[in-house]
Amino acid sequence: NAGVTQTPKFQVLKTGQSMTLQCAQDMNHNSMYWYRQDPGMGLRLIYYSASEGTTDKGEVPNGYNVSRLNKREFSLRLESAAPSQTSVYFCASSESVDGDADTQYFGPGTRLTVL
Amino acid sequence: AQSVTQPDIHITVSEGASLELRCNYSYGATPYLFWYVQSPGQGLQLLLKYFSGDTLVQGIKGFEAEFKRSQSSFNLRKPSVHWSDAAEYFCAVVTFSGGYNKLIFGAGTRLAVHP
Repeated sequence: NAGVTQTPKFQVLKTGQSMTLQCAQDMNHNSMYWYRQDPGMGLRLIYYSASEGTTDKGEVPNGYNVSRLNKREFSLRLESAAPSQTSVYFCASSESVDGDADTQYFGPGTRLTVL
Repeated sequence: AQSVTQPDIHITVSEGASLELRCNYSYGATPYLFWYVQSPGQGLQLLLKYFSGDTLVQGIKGFEAEFKRSQSSFNLRKPSVHWSDAAEYFCAVVTFSGGYNKLIFGAGTRLAVHP
């Protein structure tokens, strides 16, 4: 099992450009998440998907959109990138969002720089 | 509001020395607690978790953590640190908010290991 995979690993954008971060999991998990990690702030939830076909906002959704393409894949889109979106982005998955504290498993991350 | 505090931003220990990383949480109900480790350039790996039962939890790589309700703490320990333990460590608590398991992370503690 590959677990949670993310592409690309690194990306540099100019302000105003758009891009999509891809995430896939092979653990047959129902729930998937997108986080951003900034120095000194830990991880903050951007969006999550409780199950295929549903998505909801997390703590910091502004400037992002998501798509739960199927059970395996959950993508994050930046429509018009801003320097404030320079960060490391992590995708995670878990059995469910409302099980007894189901453990979240994380991908390797995408390091995004917006110039 | 629920929160996780890791008081130490950086810690440096000598190889072979013991280690304790502090974590304090703020949560009204019985918390579900996690420790994750992030090696440089990598994603987050689950070290251990506490849901209920024995308050001393064993994890991977020789780590353990002790849940102390009276102190609202979940400190991570290792009796003898190896150079490969150099990484960033995140404590997290799950809260049930807005219909989903919300994982709240501390800001992290970066561990350096001297040979």
